[in-house]
Amino acid sequence: AQSVAQPEDQVNVAEGNPLTVKCTYSVSGNPYLFWYVQYPNRGLQFLLKYITGDNLVKGSYGFEAEFNKSQTSFHLKKPSALVSDSALYFCAVRLGNTGKLIFGQGTTLQVKP
Amino acid sequence: AAGVIQSPRHLIKEKRETATLKCYPISRHDTVYWYQQGPGQDPQFLISFYEKMQSDKGSIPDRFSAQQFSDYHSELNMSSLELGDSALYFCASSGSTGNTEAFFGQGTRLTVV
Repeated sequence: AQSVAQPEDQVNVAEGNPLTVKCTYSVSGNPYLFWYVQYPNRGLQFLLKYITGDNLVKGSYGFEAEFNKSQTSFHLKKPSALVSDSALYFCAVRLGNTGKLIFGQGTTLQVKP
Repeated sequence: AAGVIQSPRHLIKEKRETATLKCYPISRHDTVYWYQQGPGQDPQFLISFYEKMQSDKGSIPDRFSAQQFSDYHSELNMSSLELGDSALYFCASSGSTGNTEAFFGQGTRLTVV
């Protein structure tokens, strides 16, 4: 079955430190991978995507993600975390021609001052 | 540009009642998706439409139906509501090319009492 996994329910980092939110996937064929962020009682905001090309993808708000085909991973990273980055982060894979997204279970990022 | 608009933002219904959720996609987006997000869970794909035709179907109960209209807006109709239907319902829209990301609305929070 095609799936996305986020092994960490919560990630805690200090402001100014680098952060990593992990994501692994299991799909047949070439994956289309996405990261979304969700603030409380809000919709999901698109951060970045990997379709093809350079394995390091840069997105909104200073976030980037590295696609690793051999490890089937697409970890989200940011060199210097901000308190305002605290939110729920979802990794997702786009399936088939219809474009539906399958989400990971989400990782809560807590950035402390 | 305006984003995906969902209405209403909040809805309270009693068991066995009917609810209709509306979604207005981003201009020129021809694909609409509906997702359901239970408390503390990841969004689950319900159904999608492309050019007013159903394009994919996920874990949508038979009590629910949806359609996309000629102006591309979509409505999710939910009948015989159950307590377990209480959730955040998201609509997303995208263009039809394979590498475009989906943009999400703010969601409708449905509470069934």
